[in-house]
Amino acid sequence: DGGITQSPKYLFRKEGQNVTLSCEQNLNHDAMYWYRQDPGQGLRLIYYSQIVNDFQKGDIAEGYSVSREKKESFPLTVTSAQKNPTAFYLCASSNQGARNGYTFGSGTRLTVV
Amino acid sequence: SQQGEEDPQALSIQEGENATMNCSYKTSINNLQWYRQNSGRGLVHLILIRSNEREKHSGRLRVTLDTSKKSSSLLITASRAADTASYFCATELTGANNLFFGTGTRLTVIP
Repeated sequence: DGGITQSPKYLFRKEGQNVTLSCEQNLNHDAMYWYRQDPGQGLRLIYYSQIVNDFQKGDIAEGYSVSREKKESFPLTVTSAQKNPTAFYLCASSNQGARNGYTFGSGTRLTVV
Repeated sequence: SQQGEEDPQALSIQEGENATMNCSYKTSINNLQWYRQNSGRGLVHLILIRSNEREKHSGRLRVTLDTSKKSSSLLITASRAADTASYFCATELTGANNLFFGTGTRLTVIP
């Protein structure tokens, strides 16, 4: 059964800590994306990667970092430099860019305590 | 912002009625897509319409695209309580490699 898995579902972070959100896909998709969603808002692009070992900043990359060492995996690190990290984070993947639509994971809700 | 804008922000209808949501965007696009999101979950791809298409159907969904007005509409016919969700339009801009999402329409279908 192909899909995209995000973990954990809920994550709590103390101020000043870095945390890493996991995103794994077994769809053999080339491209992967990270979006942030705030309550009642649309999705804003953080980072995206079209191929392994390459990624580009999205609209709100400051305070975040990513890696793409394997085709299946695209972890997102929320660093202490991100001033307002509490949000719902969504990972997505696609084949041939956006031409055929994205497949989304079920999301990680990050809360700073 | 390059995001689309959905209208209305919220819509409440009775089961069996039709629901229409609109999306406007600002620049030239390759395609426009509609997604659905249940509360606290990921988005699910519903339908894609290319810039050279004017109308597309999928089950109870009908999407129209007017590139001259830079707008699209999503019609859900014979709505069901299970259609209650947020609906987002997303545009693939010409020359871009990713999607830009709108702010969404929250649809509530009352049984």
